[in-house]
Amino acid sequence: EPEVTQTPSHQVTQMGQEVILRCVPISNHLYFYWYRQILGQKVEFLVSFYNNEISEKSEIFDDQFSVERPDGSNFTLKIRSTKLEDSAMYFCATLVQGHTGELFFGEGSRLTVL
Amino acid sequence: ELKVEQNPLFLSMQEGKNYTIYCNYSTTSDRLYWYRQDPGKSLESLFVLLSNGAVKQEGRLMASLDTKARLSTLHITAAVHDLSATYFCAASTTSGTYKYIFGTGTRLKVLA
Repeated sequence: EPEVTQTPSHQVTQMGQEVILRCVPISNHLYFYWYRQILGQKVEFLVSFYNNEISEKSEIFDDQFSVERPDGSNFTLKIRSTKLEDSAMYFCATLVQGHTGELFFGEGSRLTVL
Repeated sequence: ELKVEQNPLFLSMQEGKNYTIYCNYSTTSDRLYWYRQDPGKSLESLFVLLSNGAVKQEGRLMASLDTKARLSTLHITAAVHDLSATYFCAASTTSGTYKYIFGTGTRLKVLA
């Protein structure tokens, strides 16, 4: 069964460092999303991406965040200067247009900022 | 702006009992999804509800959608310990960017 793959599974970084989280979407999916989940809390929408550009972003997705799909396969989330409060699980999710609309989630990348 | 609320937030129940989790959403949405999350894991899709009156069942779980009331329910029948998890509902916007907003989650603990 096709799946969404995320790397790394866990990253520990110092405050102020840059982090890049990577996602390989399911091959025929057209919409890509990043969500964040602080431990034990709700799943928060960060950004959606379609046709090589951002479709929508939340208030959380400020100037320190960016997304791109540099090589047509990987979909990346970059956090330029990490803060303590960026510590969370980051989930990539993808969607096939015109299908049931069901989001398929990756296993997540746990980010710990010290 | 689309908002999604769930209740209860926490649910502790005995094995064999029935219970219902409620999911309300604030604006027009014709699609409602239920996911399960085990501790430290990702979200697993349970149900996709695409129209008013839709009802889906899988094992001891049954989900329904009432778009007029903007309400979805997840009913648990004769709970077993393996159902212990956090359950999220999500609604999606119906135009443009297909933004999915998740509810607060319901942490279910089934006691043996």
